[in-house]
Amino acid sequence: DAGITQSPRHKVTETGTPVTLRCHQTENHRYMYWYRQDPGHGLRLIHYSYGVKDTDKGEVSDGYSVSRSKTEDFLLTLESATSSQTSVYFCAISGGARDTEAFFGQGTRLTVV
Amino acid sequence: GENVEQHPSTLSVQEGDSAVIKCTYSDSASNYFPWYKQELGKGPQLIIDIRSNVGEKKDQRIAVTLNKTAKHFSLHITETQPEDSAVYFCAAESSGSARQLTFGSGTQLTVLP
Repeated sequence: DAGITQSPRHKVTETGTPVTLRCHQTENHRYMYWYRQDPGHGLRLIHYSYGVKDTDKGEVSDGYSVSRSKTEDFLLTLESATSSQTSVYFCAISGGARDTEAFFGQGTRLTVV
Repeated sequence: GENVEQHPSTLSVQEGDSAVIKCTYSDSASNYFPWYKQELGKGPQLIIDIRSNVGEKKDQRIAVTLNKTAKHFSLHITETQPEDSAVYFCAAESSGSARQLTFGSGTQLTVLP
């Protein structure tokens, strides 16, 4: 398995509180991504990074921010969590030896109550 | 941006039969089409992919076909086994930077013993 670790794996938080999810890779891949997975929607891209401090918005970026201060870490922050952000969040990496293949983490199940 | 549609959303087959999942995409500039398998509680894992300069690719019991003119691609699984039961996602790589993948909404495949 690709060296991707997401933390935490599960989190319950209250509406209005800030939440940060962490993705850590040991593969030195250039690109990192955050997706959310909801029933009937597949995986939708929230934000992505193409290098340290280089990030951009994806399809569903409203309410989320990201930071990448080191190659190995990509943080996703919900500034003020809402119930609509209850979802399973996946981190992915690509840009390794097999350039286009994306590897996914195990996911973080976030519940906003 | 890219839009990927996937059908059917659920598919049940008898063990040993074949399964076919179909996807269409909208961006004629897309040139990379991977398929992912997701087992319960895990992240998606690449099972096969195809590039736009190839019409078909096989890997043991799995094959993918691509029709660039019609902008559709399909996953074929032959001699299905119970361990093939999972959710399958198609994806298309968007034109532009950072290897962005747009995913279909997924197909729940159930192989009945």
